[in-house]
Amino acid sequence: DAKTTQPTSMDCAEGRAANLPCNHSTISGNEYVYWYRQIHSQGPQYIIHGLKNNETNEMASLIITEDRKSSTLILPHATLRDTAVYYCIVRAINAGGTSYGKLTFGQGTILTVHP
Amino acid sequence: GAVVSQHPSWVICKSGTSVKIECRSLDFQATTMFWYRQFPKQSLMLMATSNEGSKATYEQGVEKDKFLINHASLTLSTLTVTSAHPEDSSFYICSARDGREGWAYGYTFGSGTRLTVV
Repeated sequence: DAKTTQPTSMDCAEGRAANLPCNHSTISGNEYVYWYRQIHSQGPQYIIHGLKNNETNEMASLIITEDRKSSTLILPHATLRDTAVYYCIVRAINAGGTSYGKLTFGQGTILTVHP
Repeated sequence: GAVVSQHPSWVICKSGTSVKIECRSLDFQATTMFWYRQFPKQSLMLMATSNEGSKATYEQGVEKDKFLINHASLTLSTLTVTSAHPEDSSFYICSARDGREGWAYGYTFGSGTRLTVV
């Protein structure tokens, strides 16, 4: 799997947008970008994933650069409950559309949302 | 959506005893489950991958005789920490892969088990 690089930590004011970057310059054509987050003492929670188009769901937006070498997770209106470690993971999906193999976690970005 | 239930959420045991942690997929069949360990202020480290009906595959450096994994059904995997010692104290998390066709979300995680060995 392609290696990802994320900043160690970021701060964000409550109500503002949180933009979390991720570099994945060695990503290959069949690899998706996944984002998970882990709130303290809980299991990771799926946020969003994408291949090359920008994606949006009820939690966040994912912006992937045209060359797919980097992406940004956007939390449009951060709240105190969004304080967590955010993990960017690159993972392949097979031809049937299902993911397979193991998820490897890096160090992630510690996002702190303050009042 | 896919739900994974992990039990217990926390456990305290005496050194030398064994502890079993259960991981259940509630609304899907999980042919593959993963066990992670997380020490304070560190990321998740994969311990082993278990496939229903077969032996688990352990990551390098993980003692298979100490961390027994059983995946006897499509909805249940168990991790048993045998002869636990204080250095085994950690946060253990399971993950189940939803293999439904087209279900690209793929991996759902349990809520974790905090093990403290005294």
